[in-house]
Amino acid sequence: DAKTTQPNSMESNEEEPVHLPCNHSTISGTDYIHWYRQLPSQGPEYVIHGLTSNVNNRMASLAIAEDRKSSTLILHRATLRDAAVYYCILNAGGTSYGKLTFGQGTILTVHP
Amino acid sequence: DAGVTQSPTHLIKTRGQQVTLRCSPKSGHDTVSWYQQALGQGPQFIFQYYEEEERQRGNFPDRFSGHQFPNYSSELNVNALLLGDSALYLCASSLVQYVNYGYTFGSGTRLTVV
Repeated sequence: DAKTTQPNSMESNEEEPVHLPCNHSTISGTDYIHWYRQLPSQGPEYVIHGLTSNVNNRMASLAIAEDRKSSTLILHRATLRDAAVYYCILNAGGTSYGKLTFGQGTILTVHP
Repeated sequence: DAGVTQSPTHLIKTRGQQVTLRCSPKSGHDTVSWYQQALGQGPQFIFQYYEEEERQRGNFPDRFSGHQFPNYSSELNVNALLLGDSALYLCASSLVQYVNYGYTFGSGTRLTVV
C-alpha cells in the first residue's frame, strides 16, 4: 500500500487558517487522496477527497501538487471544534473496494 | 438520517472467550468495512463486505471473521480472545460505487480483554 507522511502535531490559533501537509511520493495514478479527522472518543469523520484537481467543500479545501506527490488540507478559519487527529490517506481506486490505510495522523491543537 | 450504528458501545471479555460486534450501515449504504484501532494508533483495516461476501481482508488472523446480512448489516466475530485484541473496533459504510469517495464511520465498540 502506498504510504503517506504527516507531521506528528501542529498548533493553531482560533480563527486563523491552518495548512496541514501530507507527503505521498509513491502515489499511483488511480489513488484518491482522502482526509479524515477523528475527535476524541469518536470514529473518523470524512473531510474531503481529491484525485488531481484542488477541491473545496463546506469543511475545508484540498490543494494537490501538480505531480500529486504531496497535498495540503486547508482549514480556512480554525475553531476549537477543529481540534482533532487529521489523517491523510491514499484510497486505491479500481477494484480495491476502497480499503483505507491509516497512518499516525497529525494531532491539531487549536488555541483560543 | 441515522448514520452508522454500532453495538454494544463497550464490552469486557476474558481471554479465550469469543465476541460478536454488530454494525448497521448508514441508510442506503451497501458496503461495510471493519477497522481495529489500538490506543494511540490509527485504525487498521480488518476486512470489507459487499453483497454478503468478504471482498478484501487486511493482515488479521483467521480468529477474526465476519458476516454481512441481506439488509447490509454486519457482524464482526473474534474467537479465542487475546489481551492484544483490546481496542476500539470501528465499522464504516459506503455505497460500492462511491467507495473511492468517502466512508461514514460509527463511533465504535470499545473491547477490553482481561
